[in-house]
Amino acid sequence: DGGITQSPKYLFRKEGQNVTLSCEQNLNHDAMYWYRQDPGQGLRLIYYSQIVNDFQKGDIAEGYSVSREKKESFPLTVTSAQKNPTAFYLCASSIESRRRQNQPQHFGDGTRLSIL
Amino acid sequence: DAKTTQPNSMESNEEEPVHLPCNHSTISGTDYIHWYRQLPSQGPEYVIHGLTSNVNNRMASLAIAEDRKSSTLILHRATLRDAAVYYCILRPVTYSGGGADGLTFGKGTHLIIQP
Repeated sequence: DGGITQSPKYLFRKEGQNVTLSCEQNLNHDAMYWYRQDPGQGLRLIYYSQIVNDFQKGDIAEGYSVSREKKESFPLTVTSAQKNPTAFYLCASSIESRRRQNQPQHFGDGTRLSIL
Repeated sequence: DAKTTQPNSMESNEEEPVHLPCNHSTISGTDYIHWYRQLPSQGPEYVIHGLTSNVNNRMASLAIAEDRKSSTLILHRATLRDAAVYYCILRPVTYSGGGADGLTFGKGTHLIIQP
């Protein structure tokens, strides 16, 4: 089945440690996104990528980094500079492009990150 | 950015229609209205979107006011599986030189379905 796979489902980080969250899609989508969700809140955009080897900061990019070396993959690294990393992280993809605007986003099942 | 206002929560009975309102009085002419829903501990799921005309799909219907300052998501026959947080989101046409940016989520409406 086509879809978005996020791993791991649960992740624990020690203080001062970087961790990388995986996001893979086999939908042949150009656009990919990372969001953060805190309890009882809506999602906030961390980074997005329109195409391979290109990405843009979202609303809360500080303390995070991404790469887009392959169309299928958009990993997110939560660095030690992110002082409050405990949250639910969601990855999404879309066929959206300059010629096809306002297309639906397809989300993975998320990774829940906690601090030890 | 144009904002949306939704009730914090709504309750309905199983097998009855549900009308979820959304106000967006500052909507611009190029803003699309999107609806997503999120079940507990899962990622959001796309429901429907539209610009001016009412829209129907297998999941729901979207009724858009003539002045576009409000819209209503209609679930024709609610089931227990429809219990979720429903988000109404405005998304502008973005390609005036920019890229495919993300969605702006508010807190949404928590829909409770009673059996």
